[in-house]
Amino acid sequence: TQLLEQSPQFLSIQEGENLTVYCNSSSVFSSLQWYRQEPGEGPVLLVTVVTGGEVKKLKRLTFQFGDARKDSSLHITAAQPGDTGLYLCAGGTYKYIFGTGTRLKVLA
Amino acid sequence: DTAVSQTPKYLVTQMGNDKSIKCEQNLGHDTMYWYKQDSKKFLKIMFSYNNKELIINETVPNRFSPKSPDKAHLNLHINSLELGDSAVYFCASSPGGGAKNIQYFGAGTRLSVL
Repeated sequence: TQLLEQSPQFLSIQEGENLTVYCNSSSVFSSLQWYRQEPGEGPVLLVTVVTGGEVKKLKRLTFQFGDARKDSSLHITAAQPGDTGLYLCAGGTYKYIFGTGTRLKVLA
Repeated sequence: DTAVSQTPKYLVTQMGNDKSIKCEQNLGHDTMYWYKQDSKKFLKIMFSYNNKELIINETVPNRFSPKSPDKAHLNLHINSLELGDSAVYFCASSPGGGAKNIQYFGAGTRLSVL
């Protein structure tokens, strides 16, 4: 059974701080996606990474796919209250396996 | 216009009842999905259809039956509802099946079985 473990499970930080969320598996994925979900809404795609070692930046968010394509990280620089939400990674094979989720709260 | 729309948004019902959730996408996508998100926010795929054909059928009780009348619609019918069926159900669509496709999610249907 393929599993994607995210850490930390919960994170509460002050505005302006940096943070990193990790997504780990023992399985190899052909791609990895990161989503953000806000209360009462469905997940919204942030990024897709497909190559081992790939790094993508989206404004203050930096995403990295591990060299072996088994893990990924999401780094947020100078977090803002608008970054608050549930962050989900999803590993792609013929279907998507979603991670266990990280609930982020950024306090003003 | 909402890209992926689900109805109803909330559904409260008694154990043993039968209910349906409807999903429509206006993105012209070929592939649609149903996911279940439990109280711990874990999101798990249930079914996937590509051009009206079932391509993914996870280990889901056969009380759950998806139906795709055309590639823009994927409905979910649930028979004999149980307490454990309480969750948020999300419909999604993507241009094609498989990895590397962007999935667009609906806003979810919160099902509460009493």
